[in-house]
Amino acid sequence: GDSVTQMEGPVTLSEEAFLTINCTYTATGYPSLFWYVQYPGEGLQLLLKATKADDKGSNKGFEATYRKETTSFHLEKGSVQVSDSAVYFCAYSGNTPLVFGKGTRLSVIA
Amino acid sequence: GAVVSQHPSWVICKSGTSVKIECRSLDFQATTMFWYRQFPKQSLMLMATSNEGSKATYEQGVEKDKFLINHASLTLSTLTVTSAHPEDSSFYICSARDLSGRATYNEQFFGPGTRLTVL
Repeated sequence: GDSVTQMEGPVTLSEEAFLTINCTYTATGYPSLFWYVQYPGEGLQLLLKATKADDKGSNKGFEATYRKETTSFHLEKGSVQVSDSAVYFCAYSGNTPLVFGKGTRLSVIA
Repeated sequence: GAVVSQHPSWVICKSGTSVKIECRSLDFQATTMFWYRQFPKQSLMLMATSNEGSKATYEQGVEKDKFLINHASLTLSTLTVTSAHPEDSSFYICSARDLSGRATYNEQFFGPGTRLTVL
C-alpha cells in the first residue's frame, strides 16, 4: 500500500551544520509532497511543498526537490540553527488524506 | 489565510466523563476535515475523515461510538471522546482542506492540537 519512509532519528547536529533528512514514498499516480514541522508542544506547520515532478519547495532555508525517478523528497538545509530543533514529518497526498512518515526529531546544539 | 483553530488547547478530565473538542476553519470553508491522534514521540494517526452534512468515515480500529464526530457546518467539526479513560489521553489534531482554489490541491491545514489528559 501507499506509504512514506523517512530516516529515523533522532538527529543531533551542531549549529551551522548541513542537514539532510531522507524521505521516500510509495504511491500510485502523482501525489503532492509535503514537509511539516512540529515544535515542542505545538501542532503541525507546513514547511514546504511540491506538487509535481522536479518541483523544488523551499522555505526558511529548507529545500526539498520532488524526484519522481527515485520517489524521493529529501529535506535539506545548508546551515541549521538551534531554533530548527523540532520534529519533521514527510507526507504525501493523492486523493486521500495526508499519509505521514514517522517523523524525524532534530536537535541542534550551540 | 487558511487558519484552523482548535478549542480547547488542553483539557483534563475525570475517567468516565465526555470531552468535546472543536475544530474551526477561520477564513475558509472546509467540506472535509480530518482528525488525527498523536502519541508521545510518534507520528500522526488518522482517526477519521469528517464530511460536512454526512457521517464521518472512520479508519480501521477506531471506535466510532467512542469518538463521535459531527461536521454540522462548513467551518466546524467536533470530536467528542465519550466515557473517556486514561488510555484516551493523547494529543488530538484536526486539519482541513481549503477547496476554494487558493490552496494547492490536497493541501491540509492543521490546527494547533488539543492535549487531553484523563485522570
